[in-house]
Amino acid sequence: GQQLNQSPQSMFIQEGEDVSMNCTSSSIFNTWLWYKQDPGEGPVLLIALYKAGELTSNGRLTAQFGITRKDSFLNISASIPSDVGIYFCAGPPPGGGADGLTFGKGTHLIIQP
Amino acid sequence: ETGVTQTPRHLVMGMTNKKSLKCEQHLGHNAMYWYKQSAKKPLELMFVYNFKEQTENNSVPSRFSPECPNSSHLFLHLHTLQPEDSALYLCASSRTGSRSYNEQFFGPGTRLTVL
Repeated sequence: GQQLNQSPQSMFIQEGEDVSMNCTSSSIFNTWLWYKQDPGEGPVLLIALYKAGELTSNGRLTAQFGITRKDSFLNISASIPSDVGIYFCAGPPPGGGADGLTFGKGTHLIIQP
Repeated sequence: ETGVTQTPRHLVMGMTNKKSLKCEQHLGHNAMYWYKQSAKKPLELMFVYNFKEQTENNSVPSRFSPECPNSSHLFLHLHTLQPEDSALYLCASSRTGSRSYNEQFFGPGTRLTVL
């Protein structure tokens, strides 16, 4: 099956720093989704991307749909303690319809005060 | 609060027990999903229901049995599970028929431990 590779696996940063993470695939995706999961909770949708090259922001978060359609990027500016969590990229397999999503393994963000 | 609720939040069961997980969505969506989340592995899709019809069974063992009586409710019936089935079970929903049909909204999950 398709795999999404997320990098880095974990990040240890200082509060106030900017964060960058990415997600790559060997297959083309038509939609990229970024989720955040807090401990003991389900993933929460942050940003959805639908078009190659698209750049979308949600507050301090900005995500981009790579022009090759095989990658996506998420940036967080001026990180704060509540940004701690696991960030997942996800996308639907080709074919459309109400299919499940393929998820990456996540980037674990840890912020040191 | 995402509009998707799951009960129970925690469940401990023996291998010979029978239990059920419940999911309810209050978003007016028509598709619902079960995922399994194990440590150090990506979320794994288990089942997909679209307008109450099962459209995908992702090679899930028969000891997991889904039920979708209507577009708002989804169950996962469990019987004779194995310890390796211990995981976080997540329910999600989405609205098909629009560009946003892939935007799935997740519940908080049920943390299952099989002894």
